[in-house]
Amino acid sequence: GAVVSQHPSRVICKSGTSVKIECRSLDFQATTMFWYRQFPKKSLMLMATSNEGSKATYEQGVEKDKFLINHASLTLSTLTVTSAHPEDSSFYICSARYSGSRVEQFFGPGTRLTVL
Amino acid sequence: GDSVTQMEGPVTLSEEAFLTINCTYTATGYPSLFWYVQYPGEGLQLLLKATKADDKGSNKGFEATYRKETTSFHLEKGSVQVSDSAVYFCALSETGSARQLTFGSGTQLTVLP
Repeated sequence: GAVVSQHPSRVICKSGTSVKIECRSLDFQATTMFWYRQFPKKSLMLMATSNEGSKATYEQGVEKDKFLINHASLTLSTLTVTSAHPEDSSFYICSARYSGSRVEQFFGPGTRLTVL
Repeated sequence: GDSVTQMEGPVTLSEEAFLTINCTYTATGYPSLFWYVQYPGEGLQLLLKATKADDKGSNKGFEATYRKETTSFHLEKGSVQVSDSAVYFCALSETGSARQLTFGSGTQLTVLP
C-alpha cells in the first residue's frame, strides 16, 4: 500500500516552454503533498507544500509564478515549470501524506527534467 | 530550527563489511526519525523509522536506535551487500506537525564485490 506515482519519469524540453509533472497517490487519499527538488549529489530541497483544495505554501526562495502547483483532488497534484530554462534542469520528487499519518511521507519515483 | 547532520561520503566498502553511517540532529520538540534510501535514478524509499527515544528501527538487516541523550540515529548493518549500494538520507519530522521532513545531506554508499 501507500504507492505514489509520478509522470513523466523523464522529460526533455526546449528553453521557454512549460512542463507539467503529475504526482498521484494510487491507493490512498493524500491530504498533503510535497514537492522537492534534488540537485546532483545533493539532498532534497523542499519547494512547496500543498493541501487539497487550497493554495500551496512555498518555501523561501521558490518562485511561485515559476513553479505552479495545483492539488485539485485527494489523489493528484501537479507541478508546472513555466518558461523553463536550463537552470531548472533537475530531479523533481513528490511525496504524499494521508490524513491518518502524522509524520510519514510516501515518495514518488521522481521526474528527471532536462531543459535544453 | 531543525537540522540533520549526516556523515559525509562517499563510503566504499567490500561486501560483507560492517556499515555505520552517522546521523545527529537538532530539534525543538520530539521528532520522529527516519532513514531513507535512494537507488540510482529512483525516488526515496523509507528504510526504517523510530518515533520515540530508545526505539530501534530495523529493516533488511539495517538498524538504527533513537538516542535522545546524544541526539543521534546512526545507521548500521552487520554485513553489506553489493545491492545495498545507494544514497542514504537521515531525516526528521516534528511529531504533531503537518510539516515537511528535514533531510540530511545524504551519504553515497558503494559496496564492491
